[in-house]
Amino acid sequence: DAKTTQPPSMDCAEGRAANLPCNHSTISGNEYVYWYRQIHSQGPQYIIHGLKNNETNEMASLIITEDRKSSTLILPHATLRDTAVYYCIVRFPTSGTYKYIFGTGTRLKVLA
Amino acid sequence: NAGVTQTPKFRVLKTGQSMTLLCAQDMNHEYMYWYRQDPGMGLRLIHYSVGEGTTAKGEVPDGYNVSRLKKQNFLLGLESAAPSQTSVYFCASSYAGGANVLTFGAGSRLTVL
Repeated sequence: DAKTTQPPSMDCAEGRAANLPCNHSTISGNEYVYWYRQIHSQGPQYIIHGLKNNETNEMASLIITEDRKSSTLILPHATLRDTAVYYCIVRFPTSGTYKYIFGTGTRLKVLA
Repeated sequence: NAGVTQTPKFRVLKTGQSMTLLCAQDMNHEYMYWYRQDPGMGLRLIHYSVGEGTTAKGEVPDGYNVSRLKKQNFLLGLESAAPSQTSVYFCASSYAGGANVLTFGAGSRLTVL
């Protein structure tokens, strides 16, 4: 099963870019990388996903290495409200659907 | 458009009691999932469903049962609650095709005494 590795915690100054790394060296060729975040104990919130190309939306940018073994989530101008646990997830197929394995994520603290 | 709604939000049970958590989605999603999250941990998959009338076991299914009689609802049952089932439970749903982006509910906090 595809697994991901993330640093347990990171700090970022408010207004600066937050770069959150993720290693997914066992990813298969046709599987997406997803990023979610969880603020306090709320339900995880979808941020972005990608397959091979870099992606950008209103929340963040996702940079995927050419060999697809790692990726970086970029929050371009972090705010205090971005303090959360960020999960990098790779899904894998099982019994007609997909399983999403959540690790312990990266706890990002944005500092004033 | 409510998305994914979980009821109840909070519940306290005594050991051995039974209860059912309800998950309802209004996005016409085919797939639905139940996760649990223990303090300081990531989410672990309990059961999932790929369509009405079908369910399957996830990573930690023991002590739980599920049913999906209607496409929009996914029920999680505890027949005989144990303190080890004290947790926050999250329901999620997604379309069957494409990138299957998960939409999560707000969670149900269950305490078993």
